[in-house]
Amino acid sequence: DQQVKQNSPSLSVQEGRISILNCDYTNSMFDYFLWYKKYPAEGPTFLISISSIKDKNEDGRFTVFLNKSAKHLSLHIVPSQPGDSAVYFCAASANRGSTLGRLYFGRGTQLTVWP
Amino acid sequence: SAVISQKPSRDICQRGTSLTIQCQVDSQVTMMFWYRQQPGQSLTLIATANQGSEATYESGFVIDKFPISRPNLTFSTLTVSNMSPEDSSIYLCSGQVGGKTFFGQGTRLTVV
Repeated sequence: DQQVKQNSPSLSVQEGRISILNCDYTNSMFDYFLWYKKYPAEGPTFLISISSIKDKNEDGRFTVFLNKSAKHLSLHIVPSQPGDSAVYFCAASANRGSTLGRLYFGRGTQLTVWP
Repeated sequence: SAVISQKPSRDICQRGTSLTIQCQVDSQVTMMFWYRQQPGQSLTLIATANQGSEATYESGFVIDKFPISRPNLTFSTLTVSNMSPEDSSIYLCSGQVGGKTFFGQGTRLTVV
């Protein structure tokens, strides 16, 4: 049972435009959400996170939005750059204090940024 | 931040054999995690490994198939035993440092 879903396996965006990657979750106990980026032959690297007490977190070109009522979060990349081309994983954790580090992942979205 | 060195990065193995994957962390971490990513799938947690205790396995994964060692706070191994082609996957270890989860580079395993 997939508790974190990324329904778009791929996204193609022109350089300089906005990339929007979406993620849905089903478990209302999730209280912390993360995005990871993964290049081929490398492990996932942490990108940005958001706690359930917030609805937005921004870090440079990357912004994550959380809509708890819809159980939906999105990652915005503005402006998109060719180096952003990678697989992006959405992840979530529940009761962060007691299950430290235990993450549930979506299947990933392959982002391709073309010049 | 933390750096997790995982090896081997890839291997091709004969069915029926076993492969041990090693992960070394440059910081002490209480909990380490082993994930599997099958083609087109999400990262699936195999087990959680604490130092000094037996690993805790997720549903669908058993110790006989995926024995784990955690001899100290910076090192862990995962063995994939009696391999079959269905075990072909990417295996990843991770650990949490400073509230963030870091991953090794992954091991791409192909069983023939």
